[in-house]
Amino acid sequence: EDQVTQSPEALRLQEGESSSLNCSYTVSGLRGLFWYRQDPGKGPEFLFTLYSAGEEKEKERLKATLTKKESFLHITAPKPEDSATYLCAVQAGGSEKLVFGKGTKLTVNP
Amino acid sequence: DTGVSQDPRHKITKRGQNVTFRCDPISEHNRLYWYRQTLGQGPEFLTYFQNEAQLEKSRLLSDRFSAERPKGSFSTLEIQRTEQGDSAMYLCASSRGTGWDEQYFGPGTRLTVT
Repeated sequence: EDQVTQSPEALRLQEGESSSLNCSYTVSGLRGLFWYRQDPGKGPEFLFTLYSAGEEKEKERLKATLTKKESFLHITAPKPEDSATYLCAVQAGGSEKLVFGKGTKLTVNP
Repeated sequence: DTGVSQDPRHKITKRGQNVTFRCDPISEHNRLYWYRQTLGQGPEFLTYFQNEAQLEKSRLLSDRFSAERPKGSFSTLEIQRTEQGDSAMYLCASSRGTGWDEQYFGPGTRLTVT
């Protein structure tokens, strides 16, 4: 069964304090790994898709990387507006569904 | 793109009642997905459509749940004889359907069963 585990469950940072979120996965034939941001009471907002080990993508203060067993979301010099829950999901070969982790709730204090 | 829209945004119902939710995908997106999310959890897949064909269903989709996409545009999700355990956020997503493409989510419908 495909599984996604995210750590830590919650992370508090000071503004400007860089850190990384982890997403470990087990999947039969990875088609893609997805990162989403979710604000309270709203639907997930698409951030990145990674398809193969070694791939990296960047957007503003966020950088996502992928290995054969895990993905990292690096946040450089975060701002309070980066506070949200970050969700990781995998898509396996032969299926269109996304399998999500429970997310990491990030709080950035000014 | 105007984004995925869902209606209603909030629904409160009594146990045993039937409810129906609507999802309008991004125009020209061929695939439409339904997920359910409870507090502190990630979204869980329920079902997906390629145009009007329902191609995949989760074990979570019990006989009380039914989804349709009759003309390959908007979709409805109906829950019959609601139970308190059905209380959750119901999320709809759509994608272009051109292979390995990302899913864009709507704002969700928050269902509370009393």
